[in-house]
Amino acid sequence: AQSVTQPDIHITVSEGASLELRCNYSYGATPYLFWYVQSPGQGLQLLLKYFSGDTLVQGIKGFEAEFKRSQSSFNLRKPSVHWSDAAEYFCAVGSPNTDKLIFGTGTRLQVFP
Amino acid sequence: GAVVSQHPSWVICKSGTSVKIECRSLDFQATTMFWYRQFPKQSLMLMATSNEGSKATYEQGVEKDKFLINHASLTLSTLTVTSAHPEDSSFYICSAPPPGDIQYFGAGTRLSVL
Repeated sequence: AQSVTQPDIHITVSEGASLELRCNYSYGATPYLFWYVQSPGQGLQLLLKYFSGDTLVQGIKGFEAEFKRSQSSFNLRKPSVHWSDAAEYFCAVGSPNTDKLIFGTGTRLQVFP
Repeated sequence: GAVVSQHPSWVICKSGTSVKIECRSLDFQATTMFWYRQFPKQSLMLMATSNEGSKATYEQGVEKDKFLINHASLTLSTLTVTSAHPEDSSFYICSAPPPGDIQYFGAGTRLSVL
């Protein structure tokens, strides 16, 4: 069965520190992978996506993610976190054949000054 | 990027009443739209796929008669929560993909049933 696991429910970092949010997936074929960010009471904003090609993808707001097929992972990273990055982050997997997305349970990021 | 608009952003209703939520694609046509439900501090669960001009496809466990979906035009899908009860209180989010593109999400609708 297709699934997405985000092992960290809640992460707290200091402003300026580096960040890595973990995402593991289970999928029968090469998946489409996404990272979204959600501020409280808001919809989802796409940070970045991976379809094929270079396994290190760059996104908006200084985020990047690396697709590692051998580890079934798609971890999100940012070298220096800003207070405005505090939000909920969702990893999602999709199919090349349909538009359906399966979301992970999310990681809540808190940033301390 | 493409814009998906959801209305209303927040609705409060009495138990037993019906509530309609609109999802519009503002600058593209969408033959397919998706409706998700999100409980507090939880992930998004796909409820149904809305198909323009045909019946919606519901995910397993979603009550078709409770959550009525209509996709009457290429820019509008509606979700009607019928005979709403407090357990239907949730955050509902729609999304739509422009042709050949990824999904874009609406800002969500918070439903509170008293």
